[in-house]
Amino acid sequence: QVQLVESGGGVVQPGGSLRLSCAASGFTFSNHGMHWVRQAPGEGLEWVAFTRYDGSIRYYADSVKGRFTISRDNSKNTLYLQMNSLRPEDTAVYYCASDIYASGIDYWGQGTLVTVSS
Amino acid sequence: DVVMTQSPLSLPVTLGQPASISCRSSQSLVHSDGNTYLNWLQQRPGQSPRRLIYNVSNRDSGVPERFTGSGSGTDFTLKISRVEAEDVGIYYCMQGTHWPPYTFGQGTKLEIK
Repeated sequence: QVQLVESGGGVVQPGGSLRLSCAASGFTFSNHGMHWVRQAPGEGLEWVAFTRYDGSIRYYADSVKGRFTISRDNSKNTLYLQMNSLRPEDTAVYYCASDIYASGIDYWGQGTLVTVSS
Repeated sequence: DVVMTQSPLSLPVTLGQPASISCRSSQSLVHSDGNTYLNWLQQRPGQSPRRLIYNVSNRDSGVPERFTGSGSGTDFTLKISRVEAEDVGIYYCMQGTHWPPYTFGQGTKLEIK
């Protein structure tokens, strides 16, 4: 079965950086696009970024463009999100999500909490 | 960006009774490939989201038959035929037709009356 396990969250000061990881299993990771989606405390869902199966195409939400970078290592079945110039409004649970069956975002990880605070 | 608007935002329901959630998009979600990429997600308290319905009306594996999705164009509905205690949570509609970005409804909080 599909498993997505995020890690790397924590507390960081405004202006700081953090790298999130998502370990994928249960499907052929190198064949499928992957997303990051976030959820601020008590709020709804916000799509953050997407990478094509080979990393050749990447899309970002306007709110993170120029600050966040999505990447993947298909040899390690791992997705990453490098977050720079973090702001308090980036505080959220960050979910890794798969795009396996050509019907959009399907499976979700359990999430990792990022808190940006001084 | 496509704006997704859900109603109601709060839905108190008696156990065993039906429930219905509406989702409207700011533009048609019919893709040029003929599909309509409108999905429904369930987020139980303290859990990550789980997809229930994809492409308007297709239930994901393991989703009970009491969940039904319908609609077309810009108007969509999620119906629960008989609400059970395990259905408590927040329900989101999500569109993947005009992306990036994927966009979500505000969420509908279902609670037991």
